[in-house]
Amino acid sequence: QITLKESGPTLVTPTQALALTCTFSGFSLSTSGVGVGWIRQPPGKALEWLAVIYWDDDKRYSPSMKSRLTITKDTSTNQVVLTMTNMDPADTATYYCAHRLGGNGWNEAYFDFWGQGILVTVSS
Amino acid sequence: DIQMTQSPSTLSASVGDRVTISCRATQSISSYLAWYQQKPGKAPNLLIYQASTLRSGVPSRFSGSGSGTEFTLTISSLQPDDFATYYCQQYNTYSTFGQGTNLDI
Repeated sequence: QITLKESGPTLVTPTQALALTCTFSGFSLSTSGVGVGWIRQPPGKALEWLAVIYWDDDKRYSPSMKSRLTITKDTSTNQVVLTMTNMDPADTATYYCAHRLGGNGWNEAYFDFWGQGILVTVSS
Repeated sequence: DIQMTQSPSTLSASVGDRVTISCRATQSISSYLAWYQQKPGKAPNLLIYQASTLRSGVPSRFSGSGSGTEFTLTISSLQPDDFATYYCQQYNTYSTFGQGTNLDI
């Protein structure tokens, strides 16, 4: 079965960079059509899509966050890493990684399996 | 950017009720819309994709409809397990979630 799990720091100082790792099992990011995305949710607020990486190493970023985000994959270790620079207290949120079930043809994504999420707090 | 607006933001209902949640896009997204259910402290759970396709294993009391800019999630007969927050998501261009609809008793 498909599982995903987020890991990384839970407390980050403002202006620092954040690196989150998604470790998954039950699928391969080398398989055509497969993707992994990142979505965040500030406490008590709505979901916000951040980025997705596809089997062919194509990447899509939220236009409002693009300048701060980098997403990479390592198919040998079944991991996806999201890096976010210049963290701010407004970035305090639960960060989820998720498996792409499908999308707009070969692009974009909706997600059927999600990790449990990791709460990242940005504070000095 | 495509914005998604859900209505209502909060909906009070009872077990057995039929409820409808609306989602509107600021431009046409064809049928590239998904619906999720989220319970407190848990990750979202995909219910419907492609506006009206029920994910395998999701109860048939859930249904989705719409295309273009107007979409609807309907729960035909509310069950106790359905009280949660619901989000729509467009994936026509990048991706955007609605602000959520809290369905409570």
